[in-house]
Amino acid sequence: KAGVTQTPRYLIKTRGQQVTLSCSPISGHRSVSWYQQTPGQGLQFLFEYFSETQRNKGNFPGRFSGRQFSNSRSEMNVSTLELGDSALYLCASSTTGAINEKLFFGSGTQLSVL
Amino acid sequence: QQQVKQSPQSLIVQKGGISIINCAYENTAFDYFPWYQQFPGKGPALLIAIRPDVSEKKEGRFTISFNKSAKQFSLHIMDSQPGDSATYFCAASMMYMLTFGGGTRLMVKP
Repeated sequence: KAGVTQTPRYLIKTRGQQVTLSCSPISGHRSVSWYQQTPGQGLQFLFEYFSETQRNKGNFPGRFSGRQFSNSRSEMNVSTLELGDSALYLCASSTTGAINEKLFFGSGTQLSVL
Repeated sequence: QQQVKQSPQSLIVQKGGISIINCAYENTAFDYFPWYQQFPGKGPALLIAIRPDVSEKKEGRFTISFNKSAKQFSLHIMDSQPGDSATYFCAASMMYMLTFGGGTRLMVKP
């Protein structure tokens, strides 16, 4: 069974640009969540989607947005990139997002903003 | 506001020793407490988890101890091995989101 797939693996952008990251969950998983990982702030929750509906959103500015498609694949978008957006962006999936379900993480997209 | 505090930030243990990582939380609405292990270049992977109505859970060499009244929980790794060298994160769950501790970088010396 394939794991959570995130593309691209690495991305370099300049300030002011926008970026779209993609996540394909494990087959059968309908809950997809996104996390930002930085050395300074650690792992921080961005948002969670289930059946194309956002059920929760973290404390990030409106420049960070996401969506989920009918096949459960998800994308997140960051507009007007800032240097501080450089981070590893992790996607995770589970069957329904219930609290005791195992959450499977992808290897992430490493975004560098120059 | 950091809602889950983790200590220590780094830990060096000899092979065969016990590794202990501690976490404390503030929000009593958290309803599930997982631990994750992360190797360089990889995403975190679930190690073990506990519900707040259980005081201890053991899976192989890994044990979680949970103290609900003190709002603290800890991970014990028995017979630590060099292959356990990784970064460990405690987390607390509520409303489809995980709040992570700051992480502990564990090094197990052969």
